[in-house]
Amino acid sequence: AQSVTQLDSHVSVSEGTPVLLRCNYSSSYSPSLFWYVQHPNKGLQLLLKYTSAATLVKGINGFEAEFKKSETSFHLTKPSAHMSDAAEYFCVVSEFSGGGNKLTFGTGTQLKVEL
Amino acid sequence: ETGVTQTPRHLVMGMTNKKSLKCEQHLGHNAMYWYKQSAKKPLELMFVYSLEERVENNSVPSRFSPECPNSSHLFLHLHTLQPEDSALYLCASSRTGGTKNIQYFGAGTRLSVL
Repeated sequence: AQSVTQLDSHVSVSEGTPVLLRCNYSSSYSPSLFWYVQHPNKGLQLLLKYTSAATLVKGINGFEAEFKKSETSFHLTKPSAHMSDAAEYFCVVSEFSGGGNKLTFGTGTQLKVEL
Repeated sequence: ETGVTQTPRHLVMGMTNKKSLKCEQHLGHNAMYWYKQSAKKPLELMFVYSLEERVENNSVPSRFSPECPNSSHLFLHLHTLQPEDSALYLCASSRTGGTKNIQYFGAGTRLSVL
């Protein structure tokens, strides 16, 4: 069975400083991993995905994540936070389920960006 | 816009009511999903449909009844719900055929059961 652990439920940063949101995964197979973001009263939007190509993955809005198999980690980073980055972030692992794919979500990290 | 539309956006219902949630996707996908998002809990997968057939039912109570009449539409029929069923219900769609396929989410229906 697969699982995801997001190590911080809340992260607070100042605008212009780096962002680090931590994620560890467990999967029996070579995993596909995703980060999604959810702004208030909105659905989930894909930030980036890892699917066994390059281990450093670049996403939208300046975010990137590095897949580290030895550490079973997939941490999300951004060099400089913006006020608009304040949202909830979910780390997700995917496995095959019939014809679709089954996503297992972490519990989420609420990012707060302060002036 | 993600190409996945959910209606209604908000729903308040009593425990004896019957209502339905609707999801429509315009992305040409052939797999669709229902998720439940409750406060303080991870998103829970409820149902998976692939090529209009249900391929996963994640131990969901029978008071939730999904329907997928074609690859573009997905419904969740609700009856005799409980207050603990109050949550945000999210629909998603993807292509079939592998774990790399991205799921695209709708904005959700916020359900309150009184």
